[in-house]
Amino acid sequence: SQTIHQWPATLVQPVGSPLSLECTVEGTSNPNLYWYRQAAGRGLQLLFYSVGIGQISSEVPQNLSASRPQDRQFILSSKKLLLSDSGFYLCAWSHQGISNQPQHFGDGTRLSIL
Amino acid sequence: QQQVKQSPQSLIVQKGGISIINCAYENTAFDYFPWYQQFPGKGPALLIAIRPDVSEKKEGRFTISFNKSAKQFSLHIMDSQPGDSATYFCAASLSGSYKLIFGSGTRLLVRP
Repeated sequence: SQTIHQWPATLVQPVGSPLSLECTVEGTSNPNLYWYRQAAGRGLQLLFYSVGIGQISSEVPQNLSASRPQDRQFILSSKKLLLSDSGFYLCAWSHQGISNQPQHFGDGTRLSIL
Repeated sequence: QQQVKQSPQSLIVQKGGISIINCAYENTAFDYFPWYQQFPGKGPALLIAIRPDVSEKKEGRFTISFNKSAKQFSLHIMDSQPGDSATYFCAASLSGSYKLIFGSGTRLLVRP
């Protein structure tokens, strides 16, 4: 069966520091991968998605970037964090090549910027 | 046109009651409608999903009702239990798209 891992689970970072959040998927090949941000008590905002290695689509202009160095690895980064980057970051995957399929989420990273 | 509007924002139900959460959309090109359940500190988990060629889908105590002409769909939780207390999200996907568009969420509290 497929599993998705995100780490760290929680992170406290000072304003202006860099960020790297990692997500890996096991048990499937060539998945679509997604990064979402969820503000407290709010819905899910799609930040980036990828349909293959090295391919990244950005949904919202912002201070963050994403990379996919390997088939099942998705990384969310920032060079300099802002207070507004605080939130709950979720990684998700879905089957490649099949539209209108469910996305399966990891357990997220709670990011607090001080 | 790309939005999915979800209501209510919060809902309190007694144990054993029926919880009903509604979603509405405008874009008729949406053709996949999943519901997700999210517990605090966890990622959303797929609960049940429906496509527009079906008017109702049931899985255990959870039922999706779909009204294509009204462009609305709803989640019914029968015999609601305290363990159902969570945030529920509806979502929709455009035909041929890999992306999901989420509603704003409903926080459900089931009182014992």
